[in-house]
Amino acid sequence: ETGVTQTPRHLVMGMTNKKSLKCEQHLGHNAMYWYKQSAKKPLELMFVYNFKEQTENNSVPSRFSPECPNSSHLFLHLHTLQPEDSALYLCASSQDSGTGGNYGYTFGSGTRLTVV
Amino acid sequence: EDQVTQSPEALRLQEGESSSLNCSYTVSGLRGLFWYRQDPGKGPEFLFTLYSAGEEKEKERLKATLTKKESFLHITAPKPEDSATYLCAVWGNYKLTFGKGTLLTVNP
Repeated sequence: ETGVTQTPRHLVMGMTNKKSLKCEQHLGHNAMYWYKQSAKKPLELMFVYNFKEQTENNSVPSRFSPECPNSSHLFLHLHTLQPEDSALYLCASSQDSGTGGNYGYTFGSGTRLTVV
Repeated sequence: EDQVTQSPEALRLQEGESSSLNCSYTVSGLRGLFWYRQDPGKGPEFLFTLYSAGEEKEKERLKATLTKKESFLHITAPKPEDSATYLCAVWGNYKLTFGKGTLLTVNP
């Protein structure tokens, strides 16, 4: 496989559930990102990992917990979410977080999350 | 703080009707401006990177241009398959800042 793969594609969860989103990149990149995309809003950067180390947490509530075990894998652990957390969650990767690179970021197809 | 404003929010064109999308930006030290295409339910797909004022890039019916304050995405003789949301992003202070996008609909 090539590119950035996200699973699952769709997720419906109750407010008391715990679930995880998974992202895997096959591009040899060293930086990975989580973004939230809501209707009528720009993409919101949530977390940045560079060489497995978290370098940015953009004031994200603690009910979102990222994990980056290696440069190819990124997880977003979810617990006690609110309905307003329903959105498209996008994972992206780049060569490293210090440079945009010629192609900016490479995005996955996203996980459409619905909190009920 | 870096800012990106895209206009219009939505644009409807007839097939073959050329037009332009605008991306205005303020950034402390532009290191790159990116255009992405996003289809419904999918992640953004890279189109172009522009680095300096006066630079132009082309791909099929799309042409991106850059000035010191804005970028344009020109669409020549669009087809229905060009329908998508087009996102602009600037690389400034070591991060990518996105605009809200322009939803383009091309009717046959």
